[in-house]
Amino acid sequence: GAGVSQSPRYKVAKRGQDVALRCDPISGHVSLFWYQQALGQGPEFLTYFQNEAQLDKSGLPSDRFFAERPEGSVSTLKIQRTQQEDSAVYLCASTLGQGALQPQHFGDGTRLSIL
Amino acid sequence: AQSVAQPEDQVNVAEGNPLTVKCTYSVSGNPYLFWYVQYPNRGLQFLLKYITGDNLVKGSYGFEAEFNKSQTSFHLKKPSALVSDSALYFCAVRGDSGSARQLTFGSGTQLTVLP
Repeated sequence: GAGVSQSPRYKVAKRGQDVALRCDPISGHVSLFWYQQALGQGPEFLTYFQNEAQLDKSGLPSDRFFAERPEGSVSTLKIQRTQQEDSAVYLCASTLGQGALQPQHFGDGTRLSIL
Repeated sequence: AQSVAQPEDQVNVAEGNPLTVKCTYSVSGNPYLFWYVQYPNRGLQFLLKYITGDNLVKGSYGFEAEFNKSQTSFHLKKPSALVSDSALYFCAVRGDSGSARQLTFGSGTQLTVLP
C-alpha cells in the first residue's frame, strides 16, 4: 500500500494477556518509530529502528514491552502480561531516510483496550 | 530534555476568520519544529516543518507557521479558516544535538471552526 499500515485497528484483551501489534511501514522506509498515545494526549515515543537495528528503546515503559523488526521492514510491538494502564492508541511511523529532518508518516494506529 | 507546550486545549473560530494555534518549545541546540493534524480515529498527518531559513513556513492546506527564536514559539496560522479544518493539531520538536531522532509532541489543541 501507499501508506503505513497497522493491524489490528482495534484490540481488546483481558488483563494479563499478551498482545502483538503489527506495523507495515512504507516500502523502502529505513526508519521506523513506535509511539503511545493516551486518551487526550499527544503521542509519546516508545522505540526507534533503523532498518533491523533497534537504536533507541528508551521510551518503553517497562520490560513487558518488546519491539522487533527482524528483516528491516515489518515491525511488531509486543506487550506481555497487559495491564489496564497499557490501554492507549499505539502509533507507528516511518521515514525514508535516517535523518531527523524528514517528516514522519503515521499509520492510523491500533487502539488497545485492556479489560 | 526537550518539551512542547500547547497552552490552549480548545480553539474556536468562525469560518472565514483567521486562526492561530499556539506552540512554544524547549530544546537543546537548534530546533526542528513540526505541525501535524489528526482527524478522529486516524493517524497524524504532516502539515509543515521548520528546519532553518525563512521564519515563515508555508505548508499544506493553506497553513503556515512562524518561527520566533527569541520567544521560542512556532504558532500555526491560517488566514481564512474552513469548517473542514476542524481537527486536533499537534506541535512537535526535536533538537539538532544528540542522537535521539524521536519527536516530542505537545498535548494537542482541538480546533473547531464554526459555520
